[in-house]
Amino acid sequence: QKEVEQDPGPLSVPEGAIVSLNCTYSNSAFQYFMWYRQYSRKGPELLMYTYSSGNKEDGRFTAQVDKSSKYISLFIRDSQPSDSATYLCAMEATGKLIFGQGTTLQVKP
Amino acid sequence: GAVVSQHPSRVICKSGTSVKIECRSLDFQATTMFWYRQFPKQSLMLMATSNEGSKATYEQGVEKDKFLINHASLTLSTLTVTSAHPEDSSFYICSARIPQVGDTQYFGPGTRLTVL
Repeated sequence: QKEVEQDPGPLSVPEGAIVSLNCTYSNSAFQYFMWYRQYSRKGPELLMYTYSSGNKEDGRFTAQVDKSSKYISLFIRDSQPSDSATYLCAMEATGKLIFGQGTTLQVKP
Repeated sequence: GAVVSQHPSRVICKSGTSVKIECRSLDFQATTMFWYRQFPKQSLMLMATSNEGSKATYEQGVEKDKFLINHASLTLSTLTVTSAHPEDSSFYICSARIPQVGDTQYFGPGTRLTVL
């Protein structure tokens, strides 16, 4: 069993839709939770960072962490074609990031 | 956010040659940098952790004599792929840790290496 599980998709939605991206994890030692966005042939870009259970909002993005269920989510409201990318969840323990496989999202105009 | 640069962005080399990739933190000092490798449609695989002024820590299965890492200053880490082979062709990405932001990492734009 992988430490971090993420459905690779692809996920295709119409413009304006609400997108829900999810990851589950097995290691209760993870303390920090991040979401990165990666465009094709580019390095990952940090979108959201959180360390506690609950919700954190930044513009159209909301990160949700449920430590009791070992489950994290990223919600994108009013999705735009420019949101089309691969979204990677990442979790930190002992100074290293463990990444999910990444979910490929396509937002169609 | 913090800026991390990589150079070159793309490199093509012949089998048997060595290639050096530079990773720089542009507006902060990074005592710890990381090197990742990413194959198409796959996630990032950590290769090694680079600490300024000390030897790098390599992940299991990564050949330290093949992937030489040097972190000579607080703003520069280099990865040298020695005696490159076609199977070393990949996307190499560095990152730098920002301790003030919960140990999260900011990534460089990546270097695409193609070994002929």
